[in-house]
Amino acid sequence: DTAVSQTPKYLVTQMGNDKSIKCEQNLGHDTMYWYKQDSKKFLKIMFSYNNKELIINETVPNRFSPKSPDKAHLNLHINSLELGDSAVYFCASSQDSGGTGTGELFFGEGSRLTVL
Amino acid sequence: GESVGLHLPTLSVQEGDNSIINCAYSNSASDYFIWYKQESGKGPQFIIDIRSNMDKRQGQRVTVLLNKTVKHLSLQIAATQPGDSAVYFCAENRSGAGSYQLTFGKGTKLSVIP
Repeated sequence: DTAVSQTPKYLVTQMGNDKSIKCEQNLGHDTMYWYKQDSKKFLKIMFSYNNKELIINETVPNRFSPKSPDKAHLNLHINSLELGDSAVYFCASSQDSGGTGTGELFFGEGSRLTVL
Repeated sequence: GESVGLHLPTLSVQEGDNSIINCAYSNSASDYFIWYKQESGKGPQFIIDIRSNMDKRQGQRVTVLLNKTVKHLSLQIAATQPGDSAVYFCAENRSGAGSYQLTFGKGTKLSVIP
């Protein structure tokens, strides 16, 4: 069983379109994240949700809107896609939201978004 | 700007030798550090972590060293194997408001020569 699964794995779309990436975790974790990895492999946090509540919102365009219907799911919706949005987007989850537990993040396999 | 960086972007090591991957951080308030391994086409995978009240932690074939004086972190891999070929990231936690806000370094690509 895949612990953190995200779909689609690949997404090719035109500029200006709206797209969504879905993420689900079956680990029973309370905290989920979205990270963006650019072409130089640099990983940057975008959002973090704890029990469906937004706790981290880094400086990302408001065209990006995360949605957490329940604590096992965190979807990412992107409006009006731009060339610079091309990247690999990783969903992750952790058991602890920042206390004294382990900060181990469990990552999905990534969704490669290509905007033409 | 970034507070976590790596000295070497690429590292080639002969199979069986030990590997050392270095990382520098600039935020003195960081209290938790993690090493991740990312294989091609996959998501990062946790290797080992260390808290700021420790200076060394060992796992299976891996050791993380933390030098808070010079804000330096290293990952040592013993008897490097072809399966260790990957990109390695160090990450620091800038905790606040009870949330993990991991900041990742640029990554070092480790290539193991058979």
